[in-house]
Amino acid sequence: EAQVTQNPRYLITVTGKKLTVTCSQNMNHEYMSWYRQDPGLGLRQIYYSMNVEVTDKGDVPEGYKVSRKEKRNFPLILESPSPNQTSLYFCASSSGQGVGGYTFGSGTRLTVV
Amino acid sequence: GESVGLHLPTLSVQEGDNSIINCAYSNSASDYFIWYKQESGKGPQFIIDIRSNMDKRQGQRVTVLLNKTVKHLSLQIAATQPGDSAVYFCAENGANAGNNRKLIWGLGTSLAVNP
Repeated sequence: EAQVTQNPRYLITVTGKKLTVTCSQNMNHEYMSWYRQDPGLGLRQIYYSMNVEVTDKGDVPEGYKVSRKEKRNFPLILESPSPNQTSLYFCASSSGQGVGGYTFGSGTRLTVV
Repeated sequence: GESVGLHLPTLSVQEGDNSIINCAYSNSASDYFIWYKQESGKGPQFIIDIRSNMDKRQGQRVTVLLNKTVKHLSLQIAATQPGDSAVYFCAENGANAGNNRKLIWGLGTSLAVNP
């Protein structure tokens, strides 16, 4: 089944403790992206990647890092999480042409206390 | 600036009725639009898309209409079912996105289907 897999689904952590949210897709998509979803603010792009070793900032990159060492994986790294990063995070991927939209993961609910 | 918005934040319909969800966009150069459905606890799911060289596209029980003159997009759901209850987002993959296929999202419309 074609899918984007995120882990974990739920995470509660403390301020300053580094964490990584994993994302993997099995569709051989070139393009991958991370979004956060907050009430009243909708979906905002954090980082995106056009292909392996090619990443760039989205609209809200502060406090996040990403890497794209392999085509299928696009982890999101929070080096020093803060409470304002409490949110629902989605990873998405699409084919090189972008037609047909994106395939989203099921989301990661992160709480930073 | 670029923005994609929605006229109605909530919509309540009776099962079996048709639903219409509206969306306005401000970037006249946008050339591709997508509707997504997000059910509770899940990620957004692609429903249907339309390019700017079209004004109508039909899928299974869904139709998207594009009016470029007034920069308006709508999603019509025929014979709405309880399983259609979700938040619906329109998104714009604008011509100015360049290499970043960033979607510009509306804030969503919550559709509630009453049995």
